[in-house]
Amino acid sequence: GAVVSQHPSRVICKSGTSVKIECRSLDFQATTMFWYRQFPKKSLMLMATSNEGSKATYEQGVEKDKFLINHASLTLSTLTVTSAHPEDSSFYICSSKDRGNYEQYFGPGTRLTVT
Amino acid sequence: AQSVTQPDIHITVSEGASLELRCNYSYGATPYLFWYVQSPGQGLQLLLKYFSGDTLVQGIKGFEAEFKRSQSSFNLRKPSVHWSDAAEYFCAVGAAGTASKLTFGTGTRLQVTL
Repeated sequence: GAVVSQHPSRVICKSGTSVKIECRSLDFQATTMFWYRQFPKKSLMLMATSNEGSKATYEQGVEKDKFLINHASLTLSTLTVTSAHPEDSSFYICSSKDRGNYEQYFGPGTRLTVT
Repeated sequence: AQSVTQPDIHITVSEGASLELRCNYSYGATPYLFWYVQSPGQGLQLLLKYFSGDTLVQGIKGFEAEFKRSQSSFNLRKPSVHWSDAAEYFCAVGAAGTASKLTFGTGTRLQVTL
């Protein structure tokens, strides 16, 4: 099956710094990638949808200047949390799908802790 | 707007017992429905999906789910639970045709006692 990787799996950063999370589709071309945020013991909340070569579409309530998404190629999307604060600490999960495929393939997630 | 309800936050079953996890959805047209499993600190693994056709779908790890349009339900079942099935289970609904935007339920945590 399709494989999606995320890097890093865990990251600790200081308040006020920025951190970048990578999401890669390893064996297929991801025309669309999704970024989710999951709070402890909660469901996944879609943050944004990105199509390769286009600007990301953010869900209501998600600050696009805070959570920068770049989908520069068919195999890579990045989420940059800018000026991170402790309330940004969460589990971030990406997923990918290719054109014509209805199924999303999920990455293993990245645990972000902001101190 | 689409929505998913998983009424059971936490379920405990004995190993070898049968399991049913409930999922009700709200969607204005024919939905695409999914069940995912998440182990602690891990991403999501697809158990099964329903797009069309036979309303009883078989998935991995011995799981199955039945789509009941009249009840707007897509309950997940397994006849005999194994201790390794302990995890968080999420039901999700997507728009037919693309399923691009998934809406997830709040999840059901399954605990298996030996």
